[in-house]
Amino acid sequence: GAVVSQHPSWVICKSGTSVKIECRSLDFQATTMFWYRQFPKQSLMLMATSNEGSKATYEQGVEKDKFLINHASLTLSTLTVTSAHPEDSSFYICSASLAGARYEQYFGPGTRLTVT
Amino acid sequence: TQLLEQSPQFLSIQEGENLTVYCNSSSVFSSLQWYRQEPGEGPVLLVTVVTGGEVKKLKRLTFQFGDARKDSSLHITAAQPGDTGLYLCAAVENQGGKLIFGQGTELSVKP
Repeated sequence: GAVVSQHPSWVICKSGTSVKIECRSLDFQATTMFWYRQFPKQSLMLMATSNEGSKATYEQGVEKDKFLINHASLTLSTLTVTSAHPEDSSFYICSASLAGARYEQYFGPGTRLTVT
Repeated sequence: TQLLEQSPQFLSIQEGENLTVYCNSSSVFSSLQWYRQEPGEGPVLLVTVVTGGEVKKLKRLTFQFGDARKDSSLHITAAQPGDTGLYLCAAVENQGGKLIFGQGTELSVKP
């Protein structure tokens, strides 16, 4: 149980274009989903916290207009990287927590974004 | 800001050796998790420790939560190449509920 999927697993896009990443909880309802960014051999950096039906809460230094997050249902959150630049290239990981068990997060397999 | 200090950051050992990874903080946490992450994949939860002094075992992995709930350790006995990966400790921030991560320990076990 507690499986989280991400789509796509990897994506290459050109500078200036936008790319959408989906995060789904497959066998449970997630009232809260989280989006992280990870650089090679480094730890995870929280970008934003996404609650179903409300606006996402962004961490300091994360541009909300560049990284658009939508959490339209209890099983789906999306991250859209708008006007992508090469420096946005990274590994993006989402996680979801079970309702009432916020301290345990289940992570998706990640999405490798490369902006050329 | 609550921080988790993880050490060592890099560890390269031979198959069969034992190792310990440490996760320390000046803050008290209600619980702490350990994750393992392989390249190109998301972190996988290994264990959650909740009670001060708690010890949990997962095959050759032993996890301990400090009595004061400020620190934790992960000990691997007779490491195998399959143990290679990034090990992350994490804890829920006391205010705000966010999960904060240690810097990670990159473990390489050579056959």
